[in-house]
Amino acid sequence: AQKVTQAQTEISVVEKEDVTLDCVYETRDTTYYLFWYKQPPSGELVFLIRRNSFDEQNEISGRYSWNFQKSTSSFNFTITASQVVDSAVYFCALSDSSNTGKLIFGQGTTLQVKP
Amino acid sequence: NAGVTQTPKFRILKIGQSMTLQCAQDMNHNYMYWYRQDPGMGLKLIYYSVGAGITDKGEVPNGYNVSRSTTEDFPLRLELAAPSQTSVYFCASSTAGYSNQPQHFGDGTRLSIL
Repeated sequence: AQKVTQAQTEISVVEKEDVTLDCVYETRDTTYYLFWYKQPPSGELVFLIRRNSFDEQNEISGRYSWNFQKSTSSFNFTITASQVVDSAVYFCALSDSSNTGKLIFGQGTTLQVKP
Repeated sequence: NAGVTQTPKFRILKIGQSMTLQCAQDMNHNYMYWYRQDPGMGLKLIYYSVGAGITDKGEVPNGYNVSRSTTEDFPLRLELAAPSQTSVYFCASSTAGYSNQPQHFGDGTRLSIL
């Protein structure tokens, strides 16, 4: 069965600190996709990144970076120089190779960035 | 740029009542999904559709029904509301296909069953 685990329930940092959100997944598929979504206090879900299982290159987008390691089944998300506006719930999600796009979500990590 | 529109935004139901949560998208996406988000939890898939006339169950379908008569609309029906269905409901759409494109989410419907 597929599963996504975000072991960190809540993280609190002070502005400008770096923070890493962990995501560990389980799947038997050889082709799969991993996602990160952000849910700010207003409640909507905002897509951040999609990565397929054949692309292990790390990715950087501004202050955001993602580290994908198939050997440890992890897809971790780092925010550099955090800001108050980064305060949100972050979800890691996994979809399979069934071409239906169904997502399995982790429980989410609540990030609080204090000024 | 409407994207995915959900109505209503909030609703309070009494136990045993029925209601339909509406979802419409204007992006011509074939794939649509309904999720529920319980407090402190991730989203769980209720039903999904890969095109008009085609629907299938997700992880937690009990107590819900869906239909997909058009590409644009994907309503979710609660027949006999129960307190366990108190949740925030999200509708999403995507082009999906072989590359599992990102899902676009609506703003959610907060539903309380009392």
